[in-house]
Amino acid sequence: DGGITQSPKYLFRKEGQNVTLSCEQNLNHDAMYWYRQDPGQGLRLIYYSQIVNDFQKGDIAEGYSVSREKKESFPLTVTSAQKNPTAFYLCASSIQGTNSPLHFGNGTRLTVT
Amino acid sequence: GNSVTQMEGPVTLSEEAFLTINCTYTATGYPSLFWYVQYPGEGLQLLLKATKADDKGSNKGFEATYRKETTSFHLEKGSVQVSDSAVYFCALSDLSSGGSNYKLTFGKGTLLTVNP
Repeated sequence: DGGITQSPKYLFRKEGQNVTLSCEQNLNHDAMYWYRQDPGQGLRLIYYSQIVNDFQKGDIAEGYSVSREKKESFPLTVTSAQKNPTAFYLCASSIQGTNSPLHFGNGTRLTVT
Repeated sequence: GNSVTQMEGPVTLSEEAFLTINCTYTATGYPSLFWYVQYPGEGLQLLLKATKADDKGSNKGFEATYRKETTSFHLEKGSVQVSDSAVYFCALSDLSSGGSNYKLTFGKGTLLTVNP
């Protein structure tokens, strides 16, 4: 079955450490996205990528970085510069250049102490 | 810019009750409208969509009609079940500034709890 895989489901890190969240898709979608979800705030866009080797900042990109070396993969690094990194992170993909719905992974819950 | 406003939760209903979750939007173009559902501990799933005015999206007993005159896309279900307990997100998709990519804007979500 095609879909999006995020790993791990739960991640714990000490403050000051960078951490990378994995996102892999086998839907052959060109576009991929990272969202952050906090209670009562809905989803906020961190970064998105329309094609391989290209990506753009979303609404809350500060303290995060991404890469898109392969069509299937869009890892997100939460750096030590992110002031409030504890959150639920969702990866999504869609067909590029169309109004098609997003397909989401099951998320990674990151806790930084 | 585009925005989506949906009713604040939480919403608590008894099984077989009627559900309405209000959603209104502002958009500069001609957006498509979506409802997504998020079950506990999971990502979002598309529930239904409508791409133009007066379209009705429906799925699993849920319905929503794209009303351009009132800029609304309210979610309804005639008889909810315990398994419908989840967070529901209204969203719109429209061309971003520059006109080359579609951008999705989400509401803040509404938590629905259905009791037996």
